[in-house]
Amino acid sequence: DVKVTQSSRYLVKRTGEKVFLECVQDMDHENMFWYRQDPGLGLRLIYFSYDVKMKEKGDIPEGYSVSREKKERFSLILESASTNQTSMYLCASSLLPGGRGGTEAFFGQGTRLTVV
Amino acid sequence: GEDVEQSLFLSVREGDSSVINCTYTDSSSTYLYWYKQEPGAGLQLLTYIFSNMDMKQDQRLTVLLNKKDKHLSLRIADTQTGDSAIYFCAEKQAGTALIFGKGTTLSVSS
Repeated sequence: DVKVTQSSRYLVKRTGEKVFLECVQDMDHENMFWYRQDPGLGLRLIYFSYDVKMKEKGDIPEGYSVSREKKERFSLILESASTNQTSMYLCASSLLPGGRGGTEAFFGQGTRLTVV
Repeated sequence: GEDVEQSLFLSVREGDSSVINCTYTDSSSTYLYWYKQEPGAGLQLLTYIFSNMDMKQDQRLTVLLNKKDKHLSLRIADTQTGDSAIYFCAEKQAGTALIFGKGTTLSVSS
């Protein structure tokens, strides 16, 4: 079974803190993604990565950065957390890059982050 | 840019059929997906269809694809209370990540 594991289910952080959300996948997938999910807005792509040390901005990268030092791990960083970053964060991974072949994405269980 | 569009809510009775509709953005999208999210959980792939197909059936699930209208639908036969969840339509364009709709909350009453 493919497993995508996010390090925390729930996090509470203070405004201005630097926050790290960790995601690990065990299927040697090239692609990894970070989405945030908000009521009425669905899933919005923050950043994605095609390979180690590669990253691409998604639709809403402002206020976030990412790190992919190893293939299996993709970290989302909130440089200075703000209350409007309170959300559910979902990590995903998929096998094949670009548009080649089936690109099913496997999701982690999500991290609900509250910034106070 | 254009969004993947879905209606936000659908309410059905147990045993009825549910039909969730989606309009996607890019006629060249190669794969189209339906994901299910149960309360407090991540997304789970329910089914997908290649763009060169117009129908796919998998047990209680039927996916219909109308490429001309860029319309995708998911039909759940004999809907059960365990089918209550949020259903996301997603498209895969070349060179990009999956693009998701806002999700349809399906509520099944007994």
